[in-house]
Amino acid sequence: AQSVSQHNHHVILSEAASLELGCNYSYGGTVNLFWYVQYPGQHLQLLLKYFSGDPLVKGIKGFEAEFIKSKFSFNLRKPSVQWSDTAEYFCAVTLDSNYQLIWGAGTKLIIKP
Amino acid sequence: DTGVSQDPRHKITKRGQNVTFRCDPISEHNRLYWYRQTLGQGPEFLTYFQNEAQLEKSRLLSDRFSAERPKGSFSTLEIQRTEQGDSAMYLCASSAGVSGTEAFFGQGTRLTVV
Repeated sequence: AQSVSQHNHHVILSEAASLELGCNYSYGGTVNLFWYVQYPGQHLQLLLKYFSGDPLVKGIKGFEAEFIKSKFSFNLRKPSVQWSDTAEYFCAVTLDSNYQLIWGAGTKLIIKP
Repeated sequence: DTGVSQDPRHKITKRGQNVTFRCDPISEHNRLYWYRQTLGQGPEFLTYFQNEAQLEKSRLLSDRFSAERPKGSFSTLEIQRTEQGDSAMYLCASSAGVSGTEAFFGQGTRLTVV
């Protein structure tokens, strides 16, 4: 079955550290890729998405992600994190023209001030 | 607020009771989705509507679960004869009917079955 893997369930960083969260999916066809964020007590919000074109996509709040098709990966990056980035981050994909999102288990990110 | 709204935010019910949740999507969105999320997991797809038509239903959705979107606007999700394993966060999302658009999520309804 198609799946999405997020490598780290918990990440703790200090402010100003660089961030990279891994995401891999298992599907050989066309995918659309998403990173969502859930701040404490809030709803899921889209950080960025990839549908086609430039595989390096930029999102809100200084986040970016790179789609590497050969590695089935869509890792999320931020060069310098802030305390306000403390949240849970979810990678998700849709397959071909299907609208159903398939989700990773999420990564809880804690930024120490 | 013109986002997706869900009601109630929290529901505690006794095992065996029926519960119904409501979702009001963003008004111009014709696609509506229900997901379920349990602790430590990402959301799992339950079902999807385009306008009033229920186009897809997960195998996770037992026959105790039913969803409707009668006029293509708000949607309801009913769980009959609730079980403790139904305890979860139930998320609703909506999107516009154009390829490439994202899904917008509501705050969710947290169900606890005791």
